Amino acid sequence: GAVVSQHPSRVICKSGTSVKIECRSLDFQATTMFWYRQFPKQSLMLMATSNEGSKATYEQGVEKDKFLINHASLTLSTLTVTSAHPEDSSFYICSARDVPVGDTQYFGPGTRLTVL
Amino acid sequence: AQSVSQHNHHVILSEAASLELGCNYSYGGTVNLFWYVQYPGQHLQLLLKYFSGDPLVKGIKGFEAEFIKSKFSFNLRKPSVQWSDTAEYFCAVRGTNAGKSTFGDGTTLTVKP
Repeated sequence: GAVVSQHPSRVICKSGTSVKIECRSLDFQATTMFWYRQFPKQSLMLMATSNEGSKATYEQGVEKDKFLINHASLTLSTLTVTSAHPEDSSFYICSARDVPVGDTQYFGPGTRLTVL
Repeated sequence: AQSVSQHNHHVILSEAASLELGCNYSYGGTVNLFWYVQYPGQHLQLLLKYFSGDPLVKGIKGFEAEFIKSKFSFNLRKPSVQWSDTAEYFCAVRGTNAGKSTFGDGTTLTVKP
């Protein structure tokens, strides 16, 4: 099946620094990628939808200036958490959709961000 | 707006018991429905999906789900669970005209050997 990778898998940073998370579709082209946040024992919360070559669409309540998303190619999207604070500590998961073939979302393994 | 409700937060079963996890959704149009599984320490994987056609869909590892349109439900079933089915299960809905999926809160399944 299709594979989505994320890098890094785990990152610890100091408060005030920025962190970049990469999401790659390894064996298919992903016109659309999604970024989710998952809190412990809770569901996935969609943060934004990213379309290749255009601006991301952010969900209500998600600060677009804080969570910068770039989808520069059909296989790569990045999420940058700017000026991170402890409350940004979470599990960030990306997902890629192989539109139009299959129309199924494939999920990355996630990135655990800890902000000290 | 679309929403998903999973009624069972934590289910504990013995091996060989039958499983049914409830999922109800709210959406004012045609939907695509999904069940995902997240094994401990692993990423989300698709178990099965319904787009159209036969409302009884079969997925991997012996799981199946039935779409009942009149009840806005998409319950997940397995006749005989195994210890290896211990995982978190998420139901998701996506409007056919929408690009994004909405996930339920998840159900933790623990299967005792």
